[in-house]
Amino acid sequence: AQTVTQSQPEMSVQEAETVTLSCTYDTSESDYYLFWYKQPPSRQMILVIRQEAYKQQNATENRFSVNFQKAAKSFSLKISDSQLGDAAMYFCAYQPYTNAGKSTFGDGTTLTVKP
Amino acid sequence: NAGVMQNPRHLVRRRGQEARLRCSPMKGHSHVYWYRQLPEEGLKFMVYLQKENIIDESGMPKERFSAEFPKEGPSILRIQQVVRGDSAAYFCASSTGGSYNSPLHFGNGTRLTVT
Repeated sequence: AQTVTQSQPEMSVQEAETVTLSCTYDTSESDYYLFWYKQPPSRQMILVIRQEAYKQQNATENRFSVNFQKAAKSFSLKISDSQLGDAAMYFCAYQPYTNAGKSTFGDGTTLTVKP
Repeated sequence: NAGVMQNPRHLVRRRGQEARLRCSPMKGHSHVYWYRQLPEEGLKFMVYLQKENIIDESGMPKERFSAEFPKEGPSILRIQQVVRGDSAAYFCASSTGGSYNSPLHFGNGTRLTVT
């Protein structure tokens, strides 16, 4: 079975600074997807960024980028120029190549942004 | 284009009562997934349904929980004889298909509180 581990329950960052959230996972599959989701207090699950395992190039979405290390099974999220609106719970998720809805989520990292 | 709609947003039940949670997928989506989020944890897969079919219910508790997605109307997650441990946020997601190329769209969840 796949597992996803987020070893940092809480992180904080100063506004405009950069922060990196860690995620490791375990799988025997070679093809899969990885995601970072943001969950603000409203509870809505917002997709931040997605990475296909077969792509070596790290995904980037504006201020959000990932460091995907397939051999190490590591998938960290970097947030640059942090903004107050980035404060939320962040979840790392593993999605199998088939049965897309049966994703495995980590337990989350609560990010605080200090003004 | 309305997103995934879940209702109610909050549901309070006494121990032993029944809870019915509803999910209307995005327009054009025929695949529905239910996840449960316990406090301080990530989302855990419960069940995957297509219209009138349960595809994968490997994450569903064996007793008291059932789900359906009828030909007409929303998907329903039903919890009979609720207990305090059922208190959680229940999320529904939908997609156009079951494969990797069909991203999940999440609803805002239903927070169930059992008193």
